[in-house]
Amino acid sequence: GAVVSQHPSRVICKSGTSVKIECRSLDFQATTMFWYRQFPKQSLMLMATSNEGSKATYEQGVEKDKFLINHASLTLSTLTVTSAHPEDSSFYICSASPRGGTGRYEQYFGPGTRLTVT
Amino acid sequence: AQSVSQHNHHVILSEAASLELGCNYSYGGTVNLFWYVQYPGQHLQLLLKYFSGDPLVKGIKGFEAEFIKSKFSFNLRKPSVQWSDTAEYFCAVRLPLTGANNLFFGTGTRLTVIP
Repeated sequence: GAVVSQHPSRVICKSGTSVKIECRSLDFQATTMFWYRQFPKQSLMLMATSNEGSKATYEQGVEKDKFLINHASLTLSTLTVTSAHPEDSSFYICSASPRGGTGRYEQYFGPGTRLTVT
Repeated sequence: AQSVSQHNHHVILSEAASLELGCNYSYGGTVNLFWYVQYPGQHLQLLLKYFSGDPLVKGIKGFEAEFIKSKFSFNLRKPSVQWSDTAEYFCAVRLPLTGANNLFFGTGTRLTVIP
């Protein structure tokens, strides 16, 4: 149980275009989903926290107009990188916290999406 | 600045050797502590967690960790590693009193186990 999927796993796009990454909780409802960015040999940096039905909360330094987050349902959150630039190339990871119970304090991670902007 | 530190960036061990990976945090209040593992090409998986109670926590695959509040530490241990333990290990902290569920991660420790 507690499986989180991400799609696509890899994407290459041209500079200036937009890319959408989906994060789905497959066997549980997730009140909260998180988006992280991981640079090579570095830690996961939290970008934003996404709550179903409300606006995402962005961490300091993350441009909310560039990284659009939508959490339209209890099983799906999307991250759209708008007008992507080469410096946006990175590994993007989502996680989801189950709705209710003690599990709501845990996070289950997706496999990540490798974005390369050329 | 508040942070989570993993001082060992890369650890190389032979099979059957004992493992201890360090994790220190700088948050002063109540903390929840986690260790995650990321096997090559796979997603992060929870190894173990500490919320309260017995400071010695046992996780999956023979791993354990000890919370020492006075040292702000949560070191991960395994008495005898296997080749299959080769992976990246991340320590993470949650601050429950903030009401938020987000995690603060350390920079990770890469473990290579030589057969």
